[in-house]
Amino acid sequence: AQSVTQLGSHVSVSEGALVLLRCNYSSSVPPYLFWYVQYPNQGLQLLLKYTSAATLVKGINGFEAEFKKSETSFHLTKPSAHMSDAAEYFCAVSGSQGGSEKLVFGKGTKLTVNP
Amino acid sequence: GAGVSQTPSNKVTEKGKYVELRCDPISGHTALYWYRQSLGQGPEFLIYFQGTGAADDSGLPNDRFFAVRPEGSVSTLKIQRTERGDSAVYLCASSSLAGGRSRELFFGEGSRLTVL
Repeated sequence: AQSVTQLGSHVSVSEGALVLLRCNYSSSVPPYLFWYVQYPNQGLQLLLKYTSAATLVKGINGFEAEFKKSETSFHLTKPSAHMSDAAEYFCAVSGSQGGSEKLVFGKGTKLTVNP
Repeated sequence: GAGVSQTPSNKVTEKGKYVELRCDPISGHTALYWYRQSLGQGPEFLIYFQGTGAADDSGLPNDRFFAVRPEGSVSTLKIQRTERGDSAVYLCASSSLAGGRSRELFFGEGSRLTVL
């Protein structure tokens, strides 16, 4: 079975500071990993995904994530936070190949950016 | 429309009533998913359709929950004898089948259900 754990339900940073949102995964097969973002009153949208190609993945809005198999991690980073980054971020892992292709989500991390 | 459309956006009902939530996916998307998001939690998988058939309904919590997609496009999630614990935001997502496990899901804004 697949699962993800997001460390920290709330993260607060100053504008211009580094953003680091943590995600650890558990998977019985080589994982496909995703970060989705949910802005207030909007649907979830894909930020980036890892699909066994490059371990450093670049996404939209300056975000990137690095897949580290040894640490079973897929942390999301952005060098300089912007006010518009305030949102809730969800890490997810895909289901087993050949079976259900559902995504399994973590509980989310709410990012606050202070001026 | 261009995106996934869900109606109603808000539904308040009384315990024991029947509720239907509708999802209109992106045109041409064969795969359709229902998720439930409770307060402070991430989206929880309910059911996945490929075309008209439910390929995986392992997330439906009990037999009060049922979903259909009769023509392979619009889907309806049906909840019978609603309970207060059913209160949540119900999310629908669609995708093409291209990309397999790596494909992107496109989410609607959700239907917020409150059971009094």
